[in-house]
Amino acid sequence: DTEVTQTPKHLVMGMTNKKSLKCEQHMGHRAMYWYKQKAKKPPELMFVYSYEKLSINESVPSRFSPECPNSSLLNLHLHALQPEDSALYLCASSQDPGAQETQYFGPGTRLLVL
Amino acid sequence: DQQVKQNSPSLSVQEGRISILNCDYTNSMFDYFLWYKKYPAEGPTFLISISSIKDKNEDGRFTVFLNKSAKHLSLHIVPSQPGDSAVYFCAASGVAGGTSYGKLTFGQGTILTVHP
Repeated sequence: DTEVTQTPKHLVMGMTNKKSLKCEQHMGHRAMYWYKQKAKKPPELMFVYSYEKLSINESVPSRFSPECPNSSLLNLHLHALQPEDSALYLCASSQDPGAQETQYFGPGTRLLVL
Repeated sequence: DQQVKQNSPSLSVQEGRISILNCDYTNSMFDYFLWYKKYPAEGPTFLISISSIKDKNEDGRFTVFLNKSAKHLSLHIVPSQPGDSAVYFCAASGVAGGTSYGKLTFGQGTILTVHP
């Protein structure tokens, strides 16, 4: 089983709203990731959590706030987003952190900021 | 600076024939390479990977070849099926700054269309 689930599938929010994206995996993976994908572009890494601790922040604006409540869950809290933040947000997980690990992706949350 | 490049935006193949997707990289510190398949509005699905200590890896209809000296890898799909029609991303990871971490760097993707 290599399933990563994400909720919601779609989200529309205004620039003053606060919302959260959720990601869950039950594979016992110890590394979890957030990626952002714009249309016709490849995914770009935002954050890496390693053993429930934030290990990489790819210079993401503070209006994106990740949280890892436990080893199975990963949240992305959104506040005061801009229209250019509209994108597909992908969560992924891997058995361990590190370079030679396969990352398994969830279906993504399609976000539209108005 | 695009460290992983897929120079063919699209590829069209007849059903039953071989599909060959290509990927080039520039960072010599990359040591693990993956191919993902992606349908619109869905997450990437892992297909196959290869470590830099190997030059070939097979899984069913999918074979990945790695040429480290040329910094080139390719994905072969034989035989191609209409259900293979999707965007294919090449991705790479490796040591950076003396630390191994799980950042995947993706190519721009190649749209594969398999005609019945």
